[in-house]
Amino acid sequence: GENVEQHPSTLSVQEGDSAVIKCTYSDSASNYFPWYKQELGKGPQLIIDIRSNVGEKKDQRIAVTLNKTAKHFSLHITETQPEDSAVYFCAASILTGGGNKLTFGTGTQLKVEL
Amino acid sequence: GAVVSQHPSWVICKSGTSVKIECRSLDFQATTMFWYRQFPKQSLMLMATSNEGSKATYEQGVEKDKFLINHASLTLSTLTVTSAHPEDSSFYICSAPWTGFGETQYFGPGTRLLVL
Repeated sequence: GENVEQHPSTLSVQEGDSAVIKCTYSDSASNYFPWYKQELGKGPQLIIDIRSNVGEKKDQRIAVTLNKTAKHFSLHITETQPEDSAVYFCAASILTGGGNKLTFGTGTQLKVEL
Repeated sequence: GAVVSQHPSWVICKSGTSVKIECRSLDFQATTMFWYRQFPKQSLMLMATSNEGSKATYEQGVEKDKFLINHASLTLSTLTVTSAHPEDSSFYICSAPWTGFGETQYFGPGTRLLVL
């Protein structure tokens, strides 16, 4: 089955700096890669996703890049703010048209310091 | 956007009792829902796939008689933890894919279960 590795496990940045979180996946058939933000005591919230037919996607301060050949994808957050502090999870799946099982990475605790 | 709700948000129960958790898709229909379990400072682990009108499919190592899943309608799935024990204490989260938007999965707010 799919295996997703995520690094780093913790990341501290100064407010205004950029943060990068990297994930690798094992199943070359995976074609959908979402990123979720989880605040303490809450459910994960989708922040951005990318499909395998594109290499990069951007939404304001957040961007995701995908390298299918190397089987890795990354989350980039620019101009970080204190409210970006949370745990971030990457995931991988195969779109089936009827509900896709997500395999999650181990999570990254991001702390944005003032 | 799509909204998924869960009820209750937290529950405390005595060992040996059963607890039911509801997951609802509020503004879309979901023939499939997923149930996850999350221990503190760990990732989400898929427990089972809930299928409307048919039996749930469980991940390896998850006891189907322990964690009963019922997907009675296109907007409601329930997870019942039977004969709960302290080791069942965890954060339970459901998700539903919104097939109208490329199968993006939306998660509920989670249910914190504490078994005494």
